[in-house]
Amino acid sequence: EDKVVQSPLSLVVHEGDTVTLNCSYEVTNFRSLLWYKQEKKAPTFLFMLTSSGIEKKSGRLSSILDKKELFSILNITATQTGDSAVYLCAVRAGTYKYIFGTGTRLKVLA
Amino acid sequence: EPEVTQTPSHQVTQMGQEVILRCVPISNHLYFYWYRQILGQKVEFLVSFYNNEISEKSEIFDDQFSVERPDGSNFTLKIRSTKLEDSAMYFCASSEAGGIVNTEAFFGQGTRLTVV
Repeated sequence: EDKVVQSPLSLVVHEGDTVTLNCSYEVTNFRSLLWYKQEKKAPTFLFMLTSSGIEKKSGRLSSILDKKELFSILNITATQTGDSAVYLCAVRAGTYKYIFGTGTRLKVLA
Repeated sequence: EPEVTQTPSHQVTQMGQEVILRCVPISNHLYFYWYRQILGQKVEFLVSFYNNEISEKSEIFDDQFSVERPDGSNFTLKIRSTKLEDSAMYFCASSEAGGIVNTEAFFGQGTRLTVV
């Protein structure tokens, strides 16, 4: 059975800290791995990763994929209270579906 | 910026009633999806739709569920006879491509369905 596992389940940090969120997966026919941020309702897209070792970066967020070890990390540097959210990892398996992990709930304290 | 829109944002229905959740995907997207998220749980895949037919569905998507693209813009999810356990946030998503082409999916704001 395809599965995506995220860790930690929740995390509380102070503003300015750096956090690393983890996502491991076991799926057949891997296509891509995506990170989303879910604040109140809709998951909003952050990154899509398809190749190992190539870092994707957007401001203070960055992510990298290791297809040999079957995991990805999402880094957030200099965290701000606005980064508080649930971060979702999703893997596109086969051709027509994305499988989500349970998410990591990040809370950034002022 | 183009976005996926869903209506209504919240629907309350009695057990056994039929509901239709509506979505307008991003206009140039070809692949459409429904996901649900029961409160406190993970986002679960229900169904994907391409070229006017279901391309893949999960075991959650049983005979009580159906999807339709009644015109060129709307994409609907129908639940024929709702059960209490159908209470969840239902997300519609769309992507520009699928198949062997990698692309991200964009999600709507969701419809919170409450079955009483």
